[in-house]
Amino acid sequence: DGGITQSPKYLFRKEGQNVTLSCEQNLNHDAMYWYRQDPGQGLRLIYYSQIVNDFQKGDIAEGYSVSREKKESFPLTVTSAQKNPTAFYLCASSINIRRVSDQPQHFGDGTRLSIL
Amino acid sequence: AQSVTQLDSQVPVFEEAPVELRCNYSSSVSVYLFWYVQYPNQGLQLLLKYLSGSTLVKGINGFEAEFNKSQTSFHLRKPSVHISDTAEYFCAVSGDSSNTGKLIFGQGTTLQVKP
Repeated sequence: DGGITQSPKYLFRKEGQNVTLSCEQNLNHDAMYWYRQDPGQGLRLIYYSQIVNDFQKGDIAEGYSVSREKKESFPLTVTSAQKNPTAFYLCASSINIRRVSDQPQHFGDGTRLSIL
Repeated sequence: AQSVTQLDSQVPVFEEAPVELRCNYSSSVSVYLFWYVQYPNQGLQLLLKYLSGSTLVKGINGFEAEFNKSQTSFHLRKPSVHISDTAEYFCAVSGDSSNTGKLIFGQGTTLQVKP
């Protein structure tokens, strides 16, 4: 079955450490997204990518970085500059960003990041 | 700028009772509207979407929503809920002046179905 795989499910970060969250999709989708979810705040967009080797900042990109070297992969790095990284991180994809009206975003099962 | 407001953070309801989860949006352009459901420690699953046409949209698991342009609302309803409907529900809007297709989410409503 096609879908989005996020790993690990749980991740712990030490102070001053960078950590990378994995997101892989086998849906052949062009567009991929990273969201941060905090209780009572809904989902906020961190970064998105419309095509390989291209990505754009979302609403809360500070302290995060991404890469899009392959169509199926969109890893997110939480850097030490992100002072409040504890959250639930969700990766999503859609056929392409301009057809979100026809093909809504599909989501992975998330990674929960905590500070040690 | 677009925004979405879910008017209730928590909605407790007894099993087999009807429920309505409220969503209001603001936008200066035509929008597309979505409801997603999230079960604990999982991702989001699409319940239904409004793109155009009939204002009453039917989705999965017996849910439906009505688009009301004059009131800028997209409330989610179910005539009889089950324990298994306990989850968090998100309303989202897309379609802005730059046509990026990005989704803007509301804060979420936790539906608690009691036996």
